[in-house]
Amino acid sequence: AQSVSQHNHHVILSEAASLELGCNYSYGGTVNLFWYVQYPGQHLQLLLKYFSGDPLVKGIKGFEAEFIKSKFSFNLRKPSVQWSDTAEYFCAVGNFGNEKLTFGTGTRLTIIP
Amino acid sequence: GAVVSQHPSRVICKSGTSVKIECRSLDFQATTMFWYRQFPKQSLMLMATSNEGSKATYEQGVEKDKFLINHASLTLSTLTVTSAHPEDSSFYICSAREERGGNSPLHFGNGTRLTVT
Repeated sequence: AQSVSQHNHHVILSEAASLELGCNYSYGGTVNLFWYVQYPGQHLQLLLKYFSGDPLVKGIKGFEAEFIKSKFSFNLRKPSVQWSDTAEYFCAVGNFGNEKLTFGTGTRLTIIP
Repeated sequence: GAVVSQHPSRVICKSGTSVKIECRSLDFQATTMFWYRQFPKQSLMLMATSNEGSKATYEQGVEKDKFLINHASLTLSTLTVTSAHPEDSSFYICSAREERGGNSPLHFGNGTRLTVT
């Protein structure tokens, strides 16, 4: 069965700092990869996704993620965070051809003004 | 963009009673809806996949007789927690997919906080 690991449970950064959140998955086959964000009091929203092609994926609000197949990783990055990036971030993986997603435990990001 | 409405957002009920949670796709037809459960500081755990007009597919370990799922139309799926117990207290989230297949986007509801006393 697929499993997804997000090693950082809570990350605290100052504004303008660079961000990298880790995500590793276990399944070795073809996968679809996602990062979702949940702002306080709101529902989960898609930040970015990777299905195929360029392993460096750009999403909304300046976020990007890089798929490294050899490392089973899909880390999320942002060069300069803002206070409004304070939220919970979830990595999710879907096995190709399967509608179901497996989520990581989430990383709570707190940005200090 | 596509919106999924989940109702109620919070519900408190007594042990032994049943609670129904609704999940509606407001501006698209959802052939597939998913029900998740989230415990504090844990991941979203998929409970079941709900397909319009057919029986739901439950994940291993999820009691289908306790968590009744009905997907009667392309815009509505309901989750009924029957004979609720305090251990059923959790955050329940639904999501809906516009089209079949893993490549179409998932849209999430705001979740329902269930507290069983």
